[in-house]
Amino acid sequence: EAEVAQSPRYKITEKSQAVAFWCDPISGHATLYWYRQILGQGPELLVQFQDESVVDDSQLPKDRFSAERLKGVDSTLKIQPAELGDSAMYLCASSLATGSNTEAFFGQGTRLTVV
Amino acid sequence: SQQGEEDPQALSIQEGENATMNCSYKTSINNLQWYRQNSGRGLVHLILIRSNEREKHSGRLRVTLDTSKKSSSLLITASRAADTASYFCATDTLNNNDMRFGAGTRLTVKP
Repeated sequence: EAEVAQSPRYKITEKSQAVAFWCDPISGHATLYWYRQILGQGPELLVQFQDESVVDDSQLPKDRFSAERLKGVDSTLKIQPAELGDSAMYLCASSLATGSNTEAFFGQGTRLTVV
Repeated sequence: SQQGEEDPQALSIQEGENATMNCSYKTSINNLQWYRQNSGRGLVHLILIRSNEREKHSGRLRVTLDTSKKSSSLLITASRAADTASYFCATDTLNNNDMRFGAGTRLTVKP
């Protein structure tokens, strides 16, 4: 069964360092989401792509976060510099998002710890 | 920003009992979905209900949607210990299929 792949699964980094997460969506899924989930809370949408274009990045802290999906397939989310408050689970999801069917498939996430 | 709010925040029941979770949202929606998350894992899609639907069933799951009240409920019947997880509602809009989640309900089913 097709899955959304994320790497790494875990990352520990020192504050002020740069960190990057990678996501490979299910083949054929045009829509890709990055979420941040703080322990005990719901996922917060950071950025949404439709193919290679950003559809919504209103909640992305653009002074330190960047996201790209150059060829409209896999995607990278970067944080530079990392801060202690960035410690969270970063989830990637993909969807066909045809309007009537917006079911999203999630990867296992990357758990980031900033020390 | 969060779109939905789940209620209750936490629910503890005995195996075999039914569990009901509620979700309220703020703006007009296209679809509403329910997801499940086991501790430290990704989310798994459970069921999708469209804005023009009022009720949907899938196995032991029953979802209702009341667009006039901007609310939905998820009923899990005959719960099992394996149903222990966090449950989230997510809504998307017609504009761009942005999918936003609530804070979730933590369900514990005791054997």
